[in-house]
Amino acid sequence: DTAVSQTPKYLVTQMGNDKSIKCEQNLGHDTMYWYKQDSKKFLKIMFSYNNKELIINETVPNRFSPKSPDKAHLNLHINSLELGDSAVYFCASSLGRATEAFFGQGTRLTVV
Amino acid sequence: GDSVTQMEGPVTLSEEAFLTINCTYTATGYPSLFWYVQYPGEGLQLLLKATKADDKGSNKGFEATYRKETTSFHLEKGSVQVSDSAVYFCALSEGDKLIFGTGTRLQVFP
Repeated sequence: DTAVSQTPKYLVTQMGNDKSIKCEQNLGHDTMYWYKQDSKKFLKIMFSYNNKELIINETVPNRFSPKSPDKAHLNLHINSLELGDSAVYFCASSLGRATEAFFGQGTRLTVV
Repeated sequence: GDSVTQMEGPVTLSEEAFLTINCTYTATGYPSLFWYVQYPGEGLQLLLKATKADDKGSNKGFEATYRKETTSFHLEKGSVQVSDSAVYFCALSEGDKLIFGTGTRLQVFP
């Protein structure tokens, strides 16, 4: 069983479109995250949720909206996609503060 | 804020060579420290961790020791294999998130 799974794995879309990435974890963790990895492999946190409550929002454009229907799911919706949004987006989860995070396989988003 | 600095890559080694990837950090508190590995086309996997000063994390032949006096967490392996070729990330915990270094690509040739 995959611990943290995200769909889709690849996403190619045109500028201006709206798209969603889904994430689910079966580890029973309370905290979930979205990270963005750019073309140089740099990883930066975007959002963090704890028990469905937003706790971190790192100066991400408001075109990005996370939604957590329950503590096992954290989806990412992106409006009006731009070329600069092209990156790999990773979902992750952890048991709590200062503990290791478990990552999904990533979603490679390409905006053309 | 807290930060992590890693040596730039790529690091290119022959099989069975000794590996060191340097990692230093700045932090106001006492973070936990981690090494993650990313194989091509995959997500990040936790390699090892240390939660307090002088702790040594180890896994799959890799080791790193939490050095508070030098604010370092260098990754070492005595004998690398071709299968170790990947990108390695040093990270620290700050509050509710992990802060990552820029990653170091390791290439091991037979």
